[in-house]
Amino acid sequence: DVKVTQSSRYLVKRTGEKVFLECVQDMDHENMFWYRQDPGLGLRLIYFSYDVKMKEKGDIPEGYSVSREKKERFSLILESASTNQTSMYLCASMGFVSFTGQYFGPGTRLTVT
Amino acid sequence: GEDVEQSLFLSVREGDSSVINCTYTDSSSTYLYWYKQEPGAGLQLLTYIFSNMDMKQDQRLTVLLNKKDKHLSLRIADTQTGDSAIYFCAEPLPGGGNKLTFGTGTQLKVEL
Repeated sequence: DVKVTQSSRYLVKRTGEKVFLECVQDMDHENMFWYRQDPGLGLRLIYFSYDVKMKEKGDIPEGYSVSREKKERFSLILESASTNQTSMYLCASMGFVSFTGQYFGPGTRLTVT
Repeated sequence: GEDVEQSLFLSVREGDSSVINCTYTDSSSTYLYWYKQEPGAGLQLLTYIFSNMDMKQDQRLTVLLNKKDKHLSLRIADTQTGDSAIYFCAEPLPGGGNKLTFGTGTQLKVEL
């Protein structure tokens, strides 16, 4: 079974803080993704990585950066958290066989006060 | 650009069938997905359908694909309280490799 884990289920941070969200997958998948999920908006792709040290912007990259130094780990960084970044953050991974879809972690609910 | 569209809410009684609808955007999508998200959890792949199929059945789940209208549906037979969740359809981004576009999600509420 593929397992995708995220470092925290719930996180509360203050405006202006630097925030790190970490994601680890155990299936040697090449592709990893960060989404945010907001009510009525579905999932929106923040960043995507298709290999170590490779990254691509998604639909809403502003205010975020990512790091992928090892294949199994993909980190999302909020350089200076703002209240409009309060959201559920979901990490996913996917191998070469596309029809098996993306495998998701349990999510991190981030609140920025 | 166009969005993958779903209605936001559906309420059914336990034991009835549920039908969740989705309109997708890319007629050349090679496969389409249905995901389920239970409260407080990440998304879980429920099923997928190849674009050369009109229907796929998997136990209580039936997926229907109408390529002409770019319409995808998920039917859940004998809906149970454990089926209460948000259901997302998703399609690959055109030329996007492994990236997916997700619908807004349909919240299914199963009442006793």
